[in-house]
Amino acid sequence: DAKTTQPPSMDCAEGRAANLPCNHSTISGNEYVYWYRQIHSQGPQYIIHGLKNNETNEMASLIITEDRKSSTLILPHATLRDTAVYYCIVREAGGTSYGKLTFGQGTILTVHP
Amino acid sequence: EPEVTQTPSHQVTQMGQEVILRCVPISNHLYFYWYRQILGQKVEFLVSFYNNEISEKSEIFDDQFSVERPDGSNFTLKIRSTKLEDSAMYFCASGTVQETQYFGPGTRLLVL
Repeated sequence: DAKTTQPPSMDCAEGRAANLPCNHSTISGNEYVYWYRQIHSQGPQYIIHGLKNNETNEMASLIITEDRKSSTLILPHATLRDTAVYYCIVREAGGTSYGKLTFGQGTILTVHP
Repeated sequence: EPEVTQTPSHQVTQMGQEVILRCVPISNHLYFYWYRQILGQKVEFLVSFYNNEISEKSEIFDDQFSVERPDGSNFTLKIRSTKLEDSAMYFCASGTVQETQYFGPGTRLLVL
């Protein structure tokens, strides 16, 4: 089962920042937080990941709380094309899980004009 | 930018028939995965493959399913004797344990 909890849906106005929360209170020390999104029925698209430091790339920023029990994905200037299901996934680095991703239901983000 | 490709994009088959779904992973990746997504449901892990053998599989991945890497580039999922409930999107992914996993566009399988 997924080890994360996300709101089922969120709305955002185009051009504004979208802040998507995720709770992962049982995360362990060697687990990363990954964010993917899925637009319609396309393959999941990698967005960003982090261990404990905040991360930023060309798509988004990831803010992880100091206790690592929650995180927020930030899309700084949402566009209509950012409408998708966003998945927060906790994934073990190395070990015996061979990196499989366990998807939950995610958050349906709808960006409005 | 390298990407995972999958063929065919759509496959329609009769119940009981065998299908082979094909994937070309990113060339320098060592781990390969298959996932599926039944319409309206979440993405589910099927199997991971490393060093020419299955490294992990889910309960879904029973004897009906098999995977292989017949050459240096392709990674296939075979479904023997398809059932109606096998209708789904099937996604291939590649990556390494330490790095990001990248997904292909998927194959939509419809079993009639």
